[in-house]
Formats: sequence, C-alpha cells, structure tokens
Amino acid sequence: QLQLQESGPGLVKPSETLTLTCTVSGASISSNSYYWGWIRQPPGKGLEWIGSIYHSGSIYYSSSLKSRVTISLDTSKNQFSLKLSSVTAADTAVYYCARQVRGGGTCYDYWGQGTLLTVSS
Amino acid sequence: DIQLTQSPSFLSASVGDRVTITCRASQGISSYFAWYQQKPGKTPKLLIYAASTLQSGVPSRFSGSGSGTEFTLTISSLQPEDFATYYCQQLHGYPLTFGGGTKVEVK
Repeated sequence: QLQLQESGPGLVKPSETLTLTCTVSGASISSNSYYWGWIRQPPGKGLEWIGSIYHSGSIYYSSSLKSRVTISLDTSKNQFSLKLSSVTAADTAVYYCARQVRGGGTCYDYWGQGTLLTVSS
Repeated sequence: DIQLTQSPSFLSASVGDRVTITCRASQGISSYFAWYQQKPGKTPKLLIYAASTLQSGVPSRFSGSGSGTEFTLTISSLQPEDFATYYCQQLHGYPLTFGGGTKVEVK
C-alpha cells in the first residue's frame, strides 16, 4: 500500500526558509513511472501546484514560486523535499506531497495527508 | 501558463440532482486533464483522469468528458456524500495548474 507522509516544522518565521520532507513507502521514488510533486492550499482557498521532480533530475516549478522554491530527491531514504525561501504570511498553507503518474493518464493519484505550515513571528 | 476557468464557483443542489461542472482551458490541452474531489479537512481525491477515465473505486455516477479546451464533470444523481469541492487540473504542460474549484452545497 503506497503511503506518502509529509513532515515539517509547523511554524516558520517570516523571511526564513521552510523545509518540508515527504517520505514515500510502498513505492520507489526512482520508478520510471512517476513524478513526485508538491501542492499547497492556503486556508479556505483552492489548490496551488508548486512543482514536480523526476528521478532523472527533471524538475518543474510554478511560475510564481520558482524564484524561491527548490525540490530535491533523496533516493537513499526514498524521500523528496521542498525548500521555500523568504517566506511570508502568504505562504501559510497546508502542503501536500503527491505522486504524479507519467504518460497519457497523467494525474496525481496518491496524496499525503498534508501538513499545515504557519508563517508567523 | 495555461489558465483553467472553472464554473460555477458555487452550486446548490439536492440529493438526486444531475450536476454538471465545467472547466475551460486557455489553450488546447488534449486530454491531459483530471478532476478531484475534496471534502472539508480531507486530502483531495482523484476522480477522473485523461479527461474521461474513472479512477478505480470511484462510483459510476461520476463521469468526465471533453478534450481540447472544454471539459465537463457530471454527477448523474447527487448523493449525500458528494457534497464537496471539486477541482480540475491540466497536466498538458508545465507549470501544471488547477481550476479555482466548485463547491457543491446542499440546496
């Protein structure tokens, strides 16, 4: 059974860099069949795609966040991570990690439970 | 970036109603398109991918159609557990984008 689990600090101060990690169990992040992605949702608002990474090194970012975001893989731990720099209150959101199927039927088929990140001094 | 315009933003309906939600893309995206359902405090759930393929385990009252720039999610007979927010997503090109969501409420 595939599971994704986000972990992170919960609270970050403005201007700091947040780091979130997604631990994947039940599948290998080195699989040729999947990308691995991050999506966020501010309180009471809609879903916002942040970025996706493939084990070959291909990485794609949101246009609005790409100057501040870095996504990376740690295949030895079967984890992938999100770093977002210079955070503000606008970055307060539930952050989800998810598996993205490659190919014609591409979609996000498995999601983590989400982790709430609050930016506050 | 490809923009997705989802309508309506809110929809009031009764159990048994036929419900239709539309999503329009700012450019052609073939069938690289998905629909998700999200209930309050819960993780989004994949309903449909490739515009019209029902995800395993999703009830057959849900259906998707469309290609190119216009897509539709239909619930043939709304059930109590279907009151939720629905999101569309394009996966044709990066950056990926979501629609703004449609909240289906009890009439």
